[in-house]
Amino acid sequence: DVKVTQSSRYLVKRTGEKVFLECVQDMDHENMFWYRQDPGLGLRLIYFSYDVKMKEKGDIPEGYSVSREKKERFSLILESASTNQTSMYLCASSPSYQPQHFGDGTRLSIL
Amino acid sequence: GDSVTQMEGPVTLSEEAFLTINCTYTATGYPSLFWYVQYPGEGLQLLLKATKADDKGSNKGFEATYRKETTSFHLEKGSVQVSDSAVYFCALTDPGEAGNMLTFGGGTRLMVKP
Repeated sequence: DVKVTQSSRYLVKRTGEKVFLECVQDMDHENMFWYRQDPGLGLRLIYFSYDVKMKEKGDIPEGYSVSREKKERFSLILESASTNQTSMYLCASSPSYQPQHFGDGTRLSIL
Repeated sequence: GDSVTQMEGPVTLSEEAFLTINCTYTATGYPSLFWYVQYPGEGLQLLLKATKADDKGSNKGFEATYRKETTSFHLEKGSVQVSDSAVYFCALTDPGEAGNMLTFGGGTRLMVKP
């Protein structure tokens, strides 16, 4: 089975902190994605990567950056956390032309 | 651009009732279609998929048929259980894109009562 592991299920941080969310997949997938999920807004794509060191902006990249130094790991970075970034964050991965597999999510609260 | 529209919830049913969750899409090409399910406190799981017109995807008693003429992919189950309570997402992807970008509908919450 494909395993997409997000480093934390719950995280509480303070406004202005630099926050790192980590995602690791064990199936050698080329593509990796970060979404945020908010009530009434569904899932929105923040960034995705189709190869090591490659990244593309999604629909809502403002306030975020990403890093993909190794194929199995895709990190989402909140440079200076703000309260409007309180959300559920979901990571996904997929091989080319195949469905995405999701992690269990990180519920992030910014105080 | 591509879009997916699904019925708003919550949908509340009694156990063993028949379920339909409507999903329609707009796409410029010939998309692949998916239903994902999200159980409470968890990420999304792929429930079923269909890659071309008239394909029927099925899994765990759920079915959906790719209808190109009506641009629809409605999810159905003949007899729901309490354990089916979850949020269901309809989604599409352009199979010509190696990057596998998904376009999601807004999600439909299903609540099944004993």
